[in-house]
Amino acid sequence: DARVTQTPRDKVTEMGQEVTMRCQPILGHNTVFWYRQTMMQGLELLAYFRNRAPLDDSGMPKDRFSAEMPDATLATLKIQPSEPRDSAVYFCASGLGLAETDTQYFGPGTRLTVL
Amino acid sequence: LAKTTQPISMDSYEGQEVNITCSHNNIATNDYITWYQQFPSQGPRFIIQGYKTKVTNEVASLFIPADRKSSTLSLPRVSLSDTAVYYCLVGSQNTGNQFYFGTGTSLTVIP
Repeated sequence: DARVTQTPRDKVTEMGQEVTMRCQPILGHNTVFWYRQTMMQGLELLAYFRNRAPLDDSGMPKDRFSAEMPDATLATLKIQPSEPRDSAVYFCASGLGLAETDTQYFGPGTRLTVL
Repeated sequence: LAKTTQPISMDSYEGQEVNITCSHNNIATNDYITWYQQFPSQGPRFIIQGYKTKVTNEVASLFIPADRKSSTLSLPRVSLSDTAVYYCLVGSQNTGNQFYFGTGTSLTVIP
């Protein structure tokens, strides 16, 4: 049963520290999404990759967030420096990148707490 | 941007059929309608997708009228395990709107 995996599952850090979250998309999927979920804002798209190239990262605070795909099996989301307002659950999803629409398969999420 | 409007919450008794309606007045010609389900502490999970008329799978049915300005997710005979948040998304690769999850509908199934 192919699944998206994310590490770590939980992360507690102090303000100002660097945080790196990792995602392994489903093998064969060529699209990767990063979302952030909070009670106040709901699910928000941060970045979107297709064939490892960033297509849309307009939802991401550029001064502190960065998203990359070093290879087809790994996507990373980095926050430097982290702030308490970054506390949220971060989800990674992957998809086949079909022409009309793209069913997204979500990972279990990384719960980030910035103190 | 084809924004969607759904009820914030719904309650239902076990064994009943639940219908959740989503409004999407600005749906574009190429847009598909997709529903996701999210349980607490989990990522959303794809339920069903359609373009027009009716789609049915083992989990749910999706009804889309001819004007496509709304859609209805139908869950037959719900059980307690169907308690979750249900999101309606409208979009396509061309418009990019498929990433807007909105607030979703929180369904609570009561014993």
